[in-house]
Amino acid sequence: GENVEQHPSTLSVQEGDSAVIKCTYSDSASNYFPWYKQELGKRPQLIIDIRSNVGEKKDQRIAVTLNKTAKHFSLHITETQPEDSAVYFCACYTGGFKTIFGAGTRLFVKA
Amino acid sequence: NAGVMQNPRHLVRRRGQEARLRCSPMKGHSHVYWYRQLPEEGLKFMVYLQKENIIDESGMPKERFSAEFPKEGPSILRIQQVVRGDSAAYFCASSPEDGAYEQYFGPGTRLTVT
Repeated sequence: GENVEQHPSTLSVQEGDSAVIKCTYSDSASNYFPWYKQELGKRPQLIIDIRSNVGEKKDQRIAVTLNKTAKHFSLHITETQPEDSAVYFCACYTGGFKTIFGAGTRLFVKA
Repeated sequence: NAGVMQNPRHLVRRRGQEARLRCSPMKGHSHVYWYRQLPEEGLKFMVYLQKENIIDESGMPKERFSAEFPKEGPSILRIQQVVRGDSAAYFCASSPEDGAYEQYFGPGTRLTVT
């Protein structure tokens, strides 16, 4: 079945450093890849997404890259700030109305 | 424009009781998704509904769980004869009629089974 693997499960960086989270997927028909940020006790919030006809997308300090051949995509956060601390989920839309989520990465940004 | 609404936000049930979780999508959205999130884990797809139709329920447990999205009113996720393992946060999300991929999440219902 469809599967999304996300690494690392925990990431600790110093304020101002960059953070990179990687995901791989199994279904080659997948065509939409969103990233969500979830703070403790709150709802997941869409922070950036990318479609399969694009290799890279950037929004201020956040960027996402997609390699369709290798079936992996990554989230890049530059100049991290303490408020970036949260759990980040990648997801993969399989086209069959189902969105498969990665297991999450807990990001700690130390001031 | 109100976002996705869910109620109740917290629900406590004893083993064997029924739990009813409600989700009102964003205005103009007719696609609703339900997800379950266990503590310290990711989101697991349960079911995808459009008005009056269940489109994909491949993530729903075969027994005790059901979902509906009537023509009028919120979407309902119903869990009969709850067990302790049902304790989790249940999130719904909605997306627009035009089938856009973006999903917007509600605040979740935290179900505790005692």
